[in-house]
Parts: sequence; C-alpha cells; structure tokens
Amino acid sequence: GAGVSQSPSNKVTEKGKDVELRCDPISGHTALYWYRQSLGQGLEFLIYFQGNSAPDKSGLPSDRFSAERTGGSVSTLTIQRTQQEDSAVYLCASSLGRVGPRSHGYTFGSGTRLTVV
Amino acid sequence: DQQVKQNSPSLSVQEGRISILNCDYTNSMFDYFLWYKKYPAEGPTFLISISSIKDKNEDGRFTVFLNKSAKHLSLHIVPSQPGDSAVYFCAATDTGGFKTIFGAGTRLFVKA
Repeated sequence: GAGVSQSPSNKVTEKGKDVELRCDPISGHTALYWYRQSLGQGLEFLIYFQGNSAPDKSGLPSDRFSAERTGGSVSTLTIQRTQQEDSAVYLCASSLGRVGPRSHGYTFGSGTRLTVV
Repeated sequence: DQQVKQNSPSLSVQEGRISILNCDYTNSMFDYFLWYKKYPAEGPTFLISISSIKDKNEDGRFTVFLNKSAKHLSLHIVPSQPGDSAVYFCAATDTGGFKTIFGAGTRLFVKA
C-alpha cells in the first residue's frame, strides 16, 4: 500500500484480556519495527524484524508481549493478559533495508491507541 | 537510562521567529541523528537527519546542528510557521544497531 497501515486505530479492552494489533507495512519494505508511546513518554522500542533474520526482541517489556511477521509482510503484536500499564499508543514503522533508516528515517503508521480498563 | 534526552517538554514561539529545539545524548557510538515531527493522531514523520561526521545539515527552513564534543544537537526552524506546531522527537541510531532511540519529544507552539 501507499503507507503503513495499522488496525484497529483504537482498542479498549478489559484488564486480563488478550489483544492483537496489526501492522501492514509498505510493500517492499523489508524492515519492520514496533514502538509504543505511553502518556508523556517518548517512543519506546519494542521489536524489530529484518527480512528472514531472527527478530530483535530486546525491547519487549515482558513475556506477555510477542510479535510475529508472516511472509515477510504483515506483522501482529500480541499482548496477553493485558495490564493497565500496557495502555499506550502502539506504533508500527517500516523501512527499506537496514541502511536507509539511519539517514532517511522510518515511515510510521498512525498507531493503535490501546486503553486497558 | 535515557540515551537521548529532550529536556524541554514544550516551546512557544511567535510566527516568523526562530524555533530552536534542543537534544542531548549520552552514547558516543551514535552515528546518525534524526528529527521527527508528529501531529496529533498521526505517526511521526521523518524531518531531517545528520551524520555524526558533519556538524550542520540544512533543508529549507530546517537546519540541524551537531556538537559532538558536547553530545548536543539542535533543530532550528526559521521562519517558524503555525503549521510547524507539533511534537518534535530527536532520535539517534548507532553503528551496529538497526533500532532508533527516541527522546521524549518537545511540543512546539507557533503563535500567529
């Protein structure tokens, strides 16, 4: 597609429930990133996928968080047994390869606003 | 441990004047520094970057200055326009990694 698409745009869930957030990157972009922005905070790195390489999961805050990227395209971020501190805007980004984003940045989606009540 | 710090949460500037947004970093391995702009309900958009081997990069009304000895960079917007009102994130990448480290952002208000 023309841009990075994320769905849903808003999600309200009850504490303890599981949620899935979806990201559809720009066609042809081999790198995909998940970040989150909690209220009043900067963007926190969560996970990075590059082609067929093993993902960099170093930013996932707990084992309740997982992500997969099927067929090198669409990615799903899953949060199990959601907690109130998981409330944030979850942003997905994609880029061409590994060199470009260091000088030309990522293309971000509009994010999913997750509210855990 | 914040590797990229933006100590001013907000800045207000009159239209036509210069906006200066500041950023400090701690990791000397960073090789690129970037600025992103974010409007409400939208994702951040890339604005301008600078390599660590340079001290200035200019793109239209936007100029980024890098002072490596002080581990400090700044974004200058001149002249400022009301449409520049947004949150600006400073970010950095290191030579070995693929992820970008972001600061907390500075909200810029440009008054007409």
